[in-house]
Amino acid sequence: GQQVMQIPQYQHVQEGEDFTTYCNSSTTLSNIQWYKQRPGGHPVFLIQLVKSGEVKKQKRLTFQFGEAKKNSSLHITATQTTDVGTYFCAVRAGGTSYGKLTFGQGTILTVHP
Amino acid sequence: EPEVTQTPSHQVTQMGQEVILRCVPISNHLYFYWYRQILGQKVEFLVSFYNNEISEKSEIFDDQFSVERPDGSNFTLKIRSTKLEDSAMYFCASNKRGATDTQYFGPGTRLTVL
Repeated sequence: GQQVMQIPQYQHVQEGEDFTTYCNSSTTLSNIQWYKQRPGGHPVFLIQLVKSGEVKKQKRLTFQFGEAKKNSSLHITATQTTDVGTYFCAVRAGGTSYGKLTFGQGTILTVHP
Repeated sequence: EPEVTQTPSHQVTQMGQEVILRCVPISNHLYFYWYRQILGQKVEFLVSFYNNEISEKSEIFDDQFSVERPDGSNFTLKIRSTKLEDSAMYFCASNKRGATDTQYFGPGTRLTVL
């Protein structure tokens, strides 16, 4: 199955600083999804990217899918304490709308006020 | 907004005991999943279920695990003889085919095996 590597494992930032997490694969991905998991919570869907070079924004969050569809990034501008949590990338199997998700290891974001 | 629900929120059991984790997926969803997350690690796929049968299972989902949809609303994960290494957070998820590609996760059941 498709595997994704995510870096960094941890990121500590001061409130107001930017944050980026990266997801990489050795193979071409049909899609990439991003999830946020608050401490003690469950994964919550943020976005899905499917097109080469795609860029999507949600307020302070910017998601990119690489031209070769082998990498993706999530960038948060001017972090807030509410951004604390673990950010996972995930690949949905089989190019279907219902395949299993394979998650990256996640990046734990800590924001110091 | 409809949600996936799971019970119990926390289950403590002795090694070798059977446990049943329960989930109520979103009512008009057709695909159901179980994932687990060992503390501090990534979320791992266990099994997917569609049309009253298993669609896919991972190598983790061995003969000790089973899933069932006993009625029109519940979706259960049974572990027949729990091991210490089964201690984890178990998430149920559901997916509405076609209209959305989003898997909606439940709040999870924390299983502690002593």
